[in-house]
Amino acid sequence: GAVVSQHPSRVICKSGTSVKIECRSLDFQATTMFWYRQFPKQSLMLMATSNEGSKATYEQGVEKDKFLINHASLTLSTLTVTSAHPEDSSFYICSAREASPGTDTQYFGPGTRLTVL
Amino acid sequence: EDKVVQSPLSLVVHEGDTVTLNCSYEVTNFRSLLWYKQEKKAPTFLFMLTSSGIEKKSGRLSSILDKKELFSILNITATQTGDSAVYLCAATQGGSEKLVFGKGTKLTVNP
Repeated sequence: GAVVSQHPSRVICKSGTSVKIECRSLDFQATTMFWYRQFPKQSLMLMATSNEGSKATYEQGVEKDKFLINHASLTLSTLTVTSAHPEDSSFYICSAREASPGTDTQYFGPGTRLTVL
Repeated sequence: EDKVVQSPLSLVVHEGDTVTLNCSYEVTNFRSLLWYKQEKKAPTFLFMLTSSGIEKKSGRLSSILDKKELFSILNITATQTGDSAVYLCAATQGGSEKLVFGKGTKLTVNP
């Protein structure tokens, strides 16, 4: 149980284009999903917290107009990187937390490697 | 400032060795501590610890939390090359949904 999928797993795009990444909880309902970014040999950096049916909460320094997050249902959140630039190239990982009281565990998706040329 | 500190940052052992990975935390309103294993992709969940002194075990891996000393350890016995990974420790806080991550311990198990 507790499987989170991400799509696509890898994307290469040209500078200036927008890229959408999907995160799905496959066998549980997730009221809260999280989006992280990870640079090589570094730990995960939280970008935003996404609650179903409400606006995402962005961490300091993360541009909300550049990284659009939508959490339309209890099993799906999307991250859209708008007008991507080479410096946006990174490993993007989502996680989901079960909609059960007292559950702290976040289950991570397999990640999406974005390369912007 | 809330922080989670892992040590060592890097560890190289031979197959069959036993290793202990350390995680200390200073987190306001601490609630639980989680361990993850990250290989080439995203982290996979290992343990969640909320109570002091109760060991959690899964195969060759075990972990325990000391809430008095603000410390947790992850033990791996009879290590195998497949245990090579970065092991991440993260703390959760009451009133927040975020995880506070340590920088990880990179474990390399040589044959």
